[in-house]
Amino acid sequence: AQKITQTQPGMFVQEKEAVTLDCTYDTSDQSYGLFWYKQPSSGEMIFLIYQGSYDEQNATEGRYSLNFQKARKSANLVISASQLGDSAMYFCAMREVGGFKTIFGAGTRLFVKA
Amino acid sequence: DAGVIQSPRHEVTEMGQEVTLRCKPISGHDYLFWYRQTMMRGLELLIYFNNNVPIDDSGMPEDRFSAKMPNASFSTLKIQPSEPRDSAVYFCASRLGSGSWVDTQYFGPGTRLTVL
Repeated sequence: AQKITQTQPGMFVQEKEAVTLDCTYDTSDQSYGLFWYKQPSSGEMIFLIYQGSYDEQNATEGRYSLNFQKARKSANLVISASQLGDSAMYFCAMREVGGFKTIFGAGTRLFVKA
Repeated sequence: DAGVIQSPRHEVTEMGQEVTLRCKPISGHDYLFWYRQTMMRGLELLIYFNNNVPIDDSGMPEDRFSAKMPNASFSTLKIQPSEPRDSAVYFCASRLGSGSWVDTQYFGPGTRLTVL
């Protein structure tokens, strides 16, 4: 069965520094997609970045990058130059290609300090 | 383009009352999902539809919960009768099902339900 594990319930980072949010996953499928979502205090779920299991290069979207290590089954989110507005809950998620359900982790709450 | 639209954004009701949550998916998306988020249980998938047909409702907690999708642009989640333990944020999400991992799921703003 598919599973997403986020082991960091909370993280602190100083403004302008980089931070890595951990995500490990478990699946027996060969083709799958990995996603990160941000949920600020306002409550909406905002899509940030995705990585396909066959993508050889790590995905990047602005200040967000996904450190994908397939052999270790990890898909860590790296936020560079943290901003106060990055304070939020971050969810890692996975879906097999052609699958219907997206599996979400428990989330990591990030606090950016001024 | 408009995103997923949910209404109401906030709902406060009394135990025993019927509650109806509404969702308009992104135009052209053929999958629609209803989630519930609580502090204790995190994000839970309740039910999802493909081309307006319910595919998997195994996440629906009880018979008090029902969901419909009468057409491609509208879905409802109904709780009748509501109970205090139903208090949560309910999200609707939609995506295109082309079979690729790039079919990202987009969420609506959520409905915060409080049952007194």
